[in-house]
Amino acid sequence: GESVGLHLPTLSVQEGDNSIINCAYSNSASDYFIWYKQESGKGPQFIIDIRSNMDKRQGQRVTVLLNKTVKHLSLQIAATQPGDSAVYFCAAPGGSQGNLIFGKGTKLSVKP
Amino acid sequence: DGGITQSPKYLFRKEGQNVTLSCEQNLNHDAMYWYRQDPGQGLRLIYYSQIVNDFQKGDIAEGYSVSREKKESFPLTVTSAQKNPTAFYLCASSVRGPYEQYFGPGTRLTVT
Repeated sequence: GESVGLHLPTLSVQEGDNSIINCAYSNSASDYFIWYKQESGKGPQFIIDIRSNMDKRQGQRVTVLLNKTVKHLSLQIAATQPGDSAVYFCAAPGGSQGNLIFGKGTKLSVKP
Repeated sequence: DGGITQSPKYLFRKEGQNVTLSCEQNLNHDAMYWYRQDPGQGLRLIYYSQIVNDFQKGDIAEGYSVSREKKESFPLTVTSAQKNPTAFYLCASSVRGPYEQYFGPGTRLTVT
């Protein structure tokens, strides 16, 4: 089955800097990846997704990069703001019916 | 507004009591999921249902039970058999398959 893991449990950046959150996955056949943002005490919110036929996808201030060769994806947040402080999860299909498997999350802290 | 609702937000129970957590969605999604989240951890799948009147065990189903009598509703019962029930419980829904899951706000259960 699939497993996903984030490289760093915590990340601290200065307001206005760019943030990069990394994630590795194990199943080379995985064809879909999602990034979620979870603020304290709330449910995760969808940020952006990417399919394996793409290397890069951009949203508003966020970019996801997928490197299938090394089974790695990253979430880049441009001009990080205090409101970006949260835990970020990557997820990929796994399990018998392709349910999503979640990594443990990276807690992003933004210093003013 | 379309979305997922979970109630209550906070729930307190005495050890040995069963408790049922509510999850309702009006997104017309076929699939619904229950996750458990412990501090500093990722999301672990308890049960999922891809269609009405059918559900499957996830990775940590022991001590939990569910029903899916209506498309909109997927209640979770935490039974007295669950050894460590205190946690943050998240419900999600999606179109059938491993696509983007929409999460509810969560229920924080404390058992003493």
